[in-house]
Amino acid sequence: EDQVTQSPEALRLQEGESSSLNCSYTVSGLRGLFWYRQDPGKGPEFLFTLYSAGEEKEKERLKATLTKKESFLHITAPKPEDSATYLCAVQGGATNKLIFGTGTLLAVQP
Amino acid sequence: ETGVTQTPRHLVMGMTNKKSLKCEQHLGHNAMYWYKQSAKKPLELMFVYNFKEQTENNSVPSRFSPECPNSSHLFLHLHTLQPEDSALYLCASSQDSATNEKLFFGSGTQLSVL
Repeated sequence: EDQVTQSPEALRLQEGESSSLNCSYTVSGLRGLFWYRQDPGKGPEFLFTLYSAGEEKEKERLKATLTKKESFLHITAPKPEDSATYLCAVQGGATNKLIFGTGTLLAVQP
Repeated sequence: ETGVTQTPRHLVMGMTNKKSLKCEQHLGHNAMYWYKQSAKKPLELMFVYNFKEQTENNSVPSRFSPECPNSSHLFLHLHTLQPEDSALYLCASSQDSATNEKLFFGSGTQLSVL
């Protein structure tokens, strides 16, 4: 069964304390892995798409990487404004459906 | 306006009421989606429309009825809902649902069923 698991469920960091969020997936024939950011009271906002193992993408303090089993979202020297829920989703399998994880709630304290 | 706009932002309704959620996208996209987001659960796809045609109904109860009059507008008609239907309902759009593209989401309608 196609599945996406995100960890940790919640993460609290001090400003400037770098860390990584994990997205593990099982899907036959990955066609894309997506990262979204969701602020309270808002819909998810697209961050990155990764298509194949070894691919990396960066945007400001965020860097997403992909292997055949998981993706990491690395946050370097985070700031309080990086606080949000980060969602991972994979697309592929026989139905090509987009499957979301439950997200990681990140809190960055000043 | 730009992006995806949803109204109302908040809705409280009784189990016997009938209400509608509205979504409008200003991105020139051809695909529109309804998702349900409940606490501690993954986003749950409800319906997909591509070029105004419904391409997916993810086993959604008939008390939820979608309508897509054109590629820019999407409605979700609600009737005789249950308390467990309380959730954040998100509308999204993309260029084409047949391709693996990013979704653009609205801010959602927070629905409470009493």
